[in-house]
Amino acid sequence: EIVMTQSPATLSASPGERVTLSCRASESVSGDLAWYQQKPGQAPRLLIYGATTRATGFPPRFSGSGYGTEFTLTISNLQSEDFAVYYCQQYSKRPPWTFGRGTKVDMK
Amino acid sequence: VQLVESGGALAQPGGSLRLSCAATGFLFGSYEMNWVRQSPEKGLEWVSSITSDGNTKYYADSVRGRFTISRDNAKKTVYLQMNSLTVEDTAIYYCVKAVAGEASFDYWGQGALVTVSA
Repeated sequence: EIVMTQSPATLSASPGERVTLSCRASESVSGDLAWYQQKPGQAPRLLIYGATTRATGFPPRFSGSGYGTEFTLTISNLQSEDFAVYYCQQYSKRPPWTFGRGTKVDMK
Repeated sequence: VQLVESGGALAQPGGSLRLSCAATGFLFGSYEMNWVRQSPEKGLEWVSSITSDGNTKYYADSVRGRFTISRDNAKKTVYLQMNSLTVEDTAIYYCVKAVAGEASFDYWGQGALVTVSA
């Protein structure tokens, strides 16, 4: 099973800042990497797929990069509605599909 | 797109539950469907997938042999039969639609709470 490791576990930031979240795979997943945003009491919401493609409804301040084993989610100009938990997920080759433990972005 | 789960409940260890997920707003029979669960202990955990035609199914090792995924394309519904439940199965279970041609998940239900306790 491919293990996904996210860092940091918690990131404290202020509105307007640029933040970078990391996700590392225990083996190459090529570009088969998704990011999800989850707010309290809600289901996760697809944010990025194919490592770099932004899902419908998310503004351009969200961007994904990376390939292979190292991936990054960047949020530029952090807005109040962006405070949430972000998860990465790999879907390379065959199941099991696996998620990271998440990075919580909270207000400094 | 809407995915509405039902069937979540309190169950005893060793017991069974059946979750259902009714889908609307998309061509159900054309998409792979999944169940993903979430608990504080394990975080997000993919549980099972079923192809659009229902012929191929995948399971996490933690549930293989105990859980069975199925679908009825005429009823636009996917099911998860859960047997031999353990306390480790306690979680919110989400019904999830896969993006066409890959296994990222673009639509999630609101979740069904399954609690396994004596």
